[in-house]
Amino acid sequence: EAQVTQNPRYLITVTGKKLTVTCSQNMNHEYMSWYRQDPGLGLRQIYYSMNVEVTDKGDVPEGYKVSRKEKRNFPLILESPSPNQTSLYFCASSSQGPGNEKLFFGSGTQLSVL
Amino acid sequence: AQTVTQSQPEMSVQEAETVTLSCTYDTSENNYYLFWYKQPPSRQMILVIRQEAYKQQNATENRFSVNFQKAAKSFSLKISDSQLGDTAMYFCAFMKLNFGNEKLTFGTGTRLTIIP
Repeated sequence: EAQVTQNPRYLITVTGKKLTVTCSQNMNHEYMSWYRQDPGLGLRQIYYSMNVEVTDKGDVPEGYKVSRKEKRNFPLILESPSPNQTSLYFCASSSQGPGNEKLFFGSGTQLSVL
Repeated sequence: AQTVTQSQPEMSVQEAETVTLSCTYDTSENNYYLFWYKQPPSRQMILVIRQEAYKQQNATENRFSVNFQKAAKSFSLKISDSQLGDTAMYFCAFMKLNFGNEKLTFGTGTRLTIIP
């Protein structure tokens, strides 16, 4: 089954403790991206990657890191999480092309930073 | 920069009725895509319908249809014969026609409740 898998689904952590949210897709998609969803703000892009070893900032990259060492994986790293990073996070992927393919979303990761 | 505005934070409608969710956007681009995504309580983002800006014909998917007014930069979603399973958060989204970052710019969402 074609899917984007995120883990964990829920995560509670404390300020400053490094964490990684994993994202993996099994569709051989070139494009992957991360969004955060906050009430009243919709979804905003954090980082994106157009292919292996190619990543770039989205609209709200501060406090986040990503890597794309393999085509299927695109982890989101919070080196020193802060309470303002409490949010619902989504990973998404698609085949390269301007809207040729819809974005496939993961199931989301609800992160709480205390 | 593109912006997407959904002016109805919440709506409710009786089951089997028709409801229209509004969306306006601002862009200087001529070629782009517009989307409606549904987010039920499960949190999964589900694509409802997609419209290419160069197509004048409004997109339809079963009970879902759009009214795309390019000059007015308006993209409303009509749900006919609404069902309880339509209860969800609905997001309007814009994507520039671009070989590169396929970034979706989302509106703030409309929470739709279907009343039995």
